Amino acid sequence: GQNIDQPTEMTATEGAIVQINCTYQTSGFNGLFWYQQHAGEAPTFLSYNVLDGLEEKGRFSSFLSRSKGYSYLLLKELQMKDSASYLCAVLDSNYQLIWGAGTKLIIKP
Amino acid sequence: IAGITQAPTSQILAAGRRMTLRCTQDMRHNAMYWYRQDLGLGLRLIHYSNTAGTTGKGEVPDGYSVSRANTDDFPLTLASAVPSQTSVYFCASSDEASASTDTQYFGPGTRLTVL
Repeated sequence: GQNIDQPTEMTATEGAIVQINCTYQTSGFNGLFWYQQHAGEAPTFLSYNVLDGLEEKGRFSSFLSRSKGYSYLLLKELQMKDSASYLCAVLDSNYQLIWGAGTKLIIKP
Repeated sequence: IAGITQAPTSQILAAGRRMTLRCTQDMRHNAMYWYRQDLGLGLRLIHYSNTAGTTGKGEVPDGYSVSRANTDDFPLTLASAVPSQTSVYFCASSDEASASTDTQYFGPGTRLTVL
């Protein structure tokens, strides 16, 4: 079966750095996405990785290792508005997105 | 209209009733999707459409039907609602269904409660 694993919940302090991990086992791989979802709102696109390595976009970076079936999202200089759920999703061999259950990130002052 | 809209925003429905959730996009995207999101579970694909006139079944299609008469609209119908269909429903669209770089854009969601 296909499986995406990410921690259910994480807590971090405003101004700090947090790393949210995602491991996957899917039938094929055509890319990995990270989305942000604030409570009661729709998911919004954050990042996309298809090759190994780190993609940096402002305060957010995403890393991929295809051989390990592993990705992480790194958030720097945390702000209160970063409190949200972060969803990891893999595009499988049929070009369908397989979603993790999401990691709820709580930011404390 | 800008992006994707969904209607209604929320709905309480008696079991056994028929219900259609509406989704409209104005980005001229080829592909559209319906997901349900339940607490503790990832987004699960119900049905999808790669282009107008075609539809396909996702992971959890039972009890749902869709149609894609044109590019912009992708309604989801529950023929006879059951309590297990209580969920938040998201419609999404993307420019090209089979492109690795394709990004899905989501509507605001419909919160459906079946009693």
